[in-house]
Amino acid sequence: AQKITQTQPGMFVQEKEAVTLDCTYDTSDQSYGLFWYKQPSSGEMIFLIYQGSYDEQNATEGRYSLNFQKARKSANLVISASQLGDSAMYFCAILGTGFQKLVFGTGTRLLVSP
Amino acid sequence: DTAVSQTPKYLVTQMGNDKSIKCEQNLGHDTMYWYKQDSKKFLKIMFSYNNKELIINETVPNRFSPKSPDKAHLNLHINSLELGDSAVYFCASSQDRGGLDEKLFFGSGTQLSVL
Repeated sequence: AQKITQTQPGMFVQEKEAVTLDCTYDTSDQSYGLFWYKQPSSGEMIFLIYQGSYDEQNATEGRYSLNFQKARKSANLVISASQLGDSAMYFCAILGTGFQKLVFGTGTRLLVSP
Repeated sequence: DTAVSQTPKYLVTQMGNDKSIKCEQNLGHDTMYWYKQDSKKFLKIMFSYNNKELIINETVPNRFSPKSPDKAHLNLHINSLELGDSAVYFCASSQDRGGLDEKLFFGSGTQLSVL
């Protein structure tokens, strides 16, 4: 079975500061992909960043970066220079060779304060 | 142009009714999905279709029946609605080139409320 664990139900950060959202995963697949999605209050799901299990470099996309530690099975999302618009739910997800579906974690609600 | 569009955005109905949610994607993707997001925000896959063929059918009551008339459309029909069906239903699509970097493109969701 594949599982994503997001242990932080809620996080607070001040504008312009960096924040790390935790994600650990469990899979028996040797090859897999890890994703982060953002869901603002308007409800849509927005893809943020992807990390392949064999990627040697941590993924980066603008202010988003992924702190991938394969041995620890963690794929934490780092948001630098937080903005008010970053306030949203953030979901970590995994896709493996042994299963054909994206499995999501329970999400972390991030609130950015001025 | 909306990539994945689903209608309606809101659906309020009585218990026991039958309702449908429509989904269309204009991305040329081969695979489409239905996900359910419960009141605790947990997202779980319900179905996936690849080129009109059912690929994934999670443990979903048979009151839920997906239909894919072509690879650009995947509709969800729900019979005999129950209170527990209240949730947000997301349609999504992916290219399905077989890679592990297949990101999903989501519709804006349908908030279903069963009274």
